[in-house]
Amino acid sequence: AQSVTQPDIHITVSEGASLELRCNYSYGATPYLFWYVQSPGQGLQLLLKYFSGDTLVQGIKGFEAEFKRSQSSFNLRKPSVHWSDAAEYFCAVVNNDMRFGAGTRLTVKP
Amino acid sequence: DSGVTQTPKHLITATGQRVTLRCSPRSGDLSVYWYQQSLDQGLQFLIQYYNGEERAKGNILERFSAQQFPDLHSELNLSSLELGDSALYFCASSGASGAGEQYFGPGTRLTVT
Repeated sequence: AQSVTQPDIHITVSEGASLELRCNYSYGATPYLFWYVQSPGQGLQLLLKYFSGDTLVQGIKGFEAEFKRSQSSFNLRKPSVHWSDAAEYFCAVVNNDMRFGAGTRLTVKP
Repeated sequence: DSGVTQTPKHLITATGQRVTLRCSPRSGDLSVYWYQQSLDQGLQFLIQYYNGEERAKGNILERFSAQQFPDLHSELNLSSLELGDSALYFCASSGASGAGEQYFGPGTRLTVT
């Protein structure tokens, strides 16, 4: 069955530390891949997307993600986390429709 | 600001009632999507309209219906409301009919008492 998995429900990192949020997908072909961020009480904001080409994509707010076909993964990274990055992060894939992972809640310690 | 607007922001109603949620897409976007976000189900795709026609259907209950009008705004109608329908309802829009990125509105929080 087609699915999107975010294995980490909750991650806590210290401000200034690096961050990696994991996303794995299970689809027959390479889908279109997205990362969204949701702050409390807000809608979802698109961070970055991958359709094809260079497997390392840059997004807004200093985020990047790398598509690895062999691992069916599209992990989100940031070299240095800021307190304002605390939010819920969703990986999404589009095949026929957009499917979201369950989300990873990021807490940033001062 | 994504450019997608949703009204109302909050809605409190009783079981058995009917409500209508409204969405205006970004200027120029032809596709509108509706999602339900709840603690136990996460983000669930409900339905997509493209230029006035239904394009894709997800986990939408029969008590729920939607439409997209000629000016491209969309409405999601929820009827015979149950406590379990309490959730955040998001609208998103995109310029594409299929696989483009979607831009989300701020959501409507529905509370059914």
